[in-house]
Amino acid sequence: EVQLVESGGGLVQPGGSLKLSCAASGFTFSGSAMHWVRQASGKGLEWVGRIRSKANSYATAYAASVKGRFTISRDDSKNTAYLQMNSLKTEDTAVYYCTRLSLSTGLDYWGQGTLVTVSS
Amino acid sequence: QSVLTQPPSASGTPGQRVTISCSGSSSNIGSNYVYWYQQLPGTAPKLLIYRNNQRPSGVPDRFSGSKSGTSASLAISGLRSEDEADYYCAAWDDSLSGRDVVFGGGTKLTVL
Repeated sequence: EVQLVESGGGLVQPGGSLKLSCAASGFTFSGSAMHWVRQASGKGLEWVGRIRSKANSYATAYAASVKGRFTISRDDSKNTAYLQMNSLKTEDTAVYYCTRLSLSTGLDYWGQGTLVTVSS
Repeated sequence: QSVLTQPPSASGTPGQRVTISCSGSSSNIGSNYVYWYQQLPGTAPKLLIYRNNQRPSGVPDRFSGSKSGTSASLAISGLRSEDEADYYCAAWDDSLSGRDVVFGGGTKLTVL
């Protein structure tokens, strides 16, 4: 059974940093691209970024709203993806989901999400 | 503002058929697959439709997807109370900056 479990969310002050983790199981993590999507309270889904597999050079891409502030990485030995968030702004407050990309079914499995609150 | 445009709300009575539209452009829906997600209150999005009209195993055949040009639709037939949820469309977008995922703003479906 595919499982994605996010952790690391919490309260942080504007300008601060936070690192989220996404622990994966039930599939070949090393061969999958992993994406992060966020959702502010009462709002829609917003794509944050992604990291591809080793076979695709661990290539990353980011939404314009987070580029230069957020960094996605992965540790295939731990089946875990990470989202390093720096220079956080109040508008980054949201539930952050990690999700797996399947070439056949798209972003098919999602974690339960972790809440990040940026406030003074 | 979301890249893909959905109506903010839709409604229907039990047993009825409801459709939710999703409008995009040539760089996203017009040239890539469309995906639909169902999000029940307080839960993560769940994949409902992939590759325009394919259902993952376990998704009832009451749910169907279609695409034409730069628009797509999700149809729900035999509406049930448990279908009350938020629905999002998504697609890859071939923008100048690369290939990003774009979502619609979501449609809140109310079962009257």
